[in-house]
Amino acid sequence: GQQLNQSPQSMFIQEGEDVSMNCTSSSIFNTWLWYKQDPGEGPVLLIALYKAGELTSNGRLTAQFGITRKDSFLNISASIPSDVGIYFCAGQLIGSSNTGKLIFGQGTTLQVKP
Amino acid sequence: KAGVTQTPRYLIKTRGQQVTLSCSPISGHRSVSWYQQTPGQGLQFLFEYFSETQRNKGNFPGRFSGRQFSNSRSEMNVSTLELGDSALYLCASSLRTGAYEQYFGPGTRLTVT
Repeated sequence: GQQLNQSPQSMFIQEGEDVSMNCTSSSIFNTWLWYKQDPGEGPVLLIALYKAGELTSNGRLTAQFGITRKDSFLNISASIPSDVGIYFCAGQLIGSSNTGKLIFGQGTTLQVKP
Repeated sequence: KAGVTQTPRYLIKTRGQQVTLSCSPISGHRSVSWYQQTPGQGLQFLFEYFSETQRNKGNFPGRFSGRQFSNSRSEMNVSTLELGDSALYLCASSLRTGAYEQYFGPGTRLTVT
């Protein structure tokens, strides 16, 4: 089936550092969403992207919808301990825009050392 | 606005039994999607309901079913439970079907023994 390749799989960084993660696919997407999930909880929506080339910020988070529509990246600037968690990209394939089906990446586990 | 609520939060069942999970979407949201999350397979789409109609279905056996009520609340049912059905079941609500933001509930942790 369709897959999103998310990398890196995990990151261990120092507080204050910037973080970058991305998702790629061989398929074209018309929507990209980025979520953060804490243990035992559901994913929380961070940023939604709807247009190729779109760059959107939410506080210290910035995400972009790749120009080819096959990728997206998420940057976190000046990381803090509460950024710890699992970050997921999710996309909606072009051609499935009349349904709410999302394809998810495998997740990036972020750990921040104070 | 209250978020997506799911009940129960935790459930333990034995093989062969059936289970029903409930999801109440954000007020005003009419689309509810269900996902299964496991360590091995990650987040997998189960199905979506909009206006009481199933809009799309993922690659799961027929033991997995769902429905949506006129108030947009949704239930999913799993019959003849198997050990591999142990997972976190998440529902997400959206204003409408299609390319819209989806907001997740806290999930129901199902353990099958």
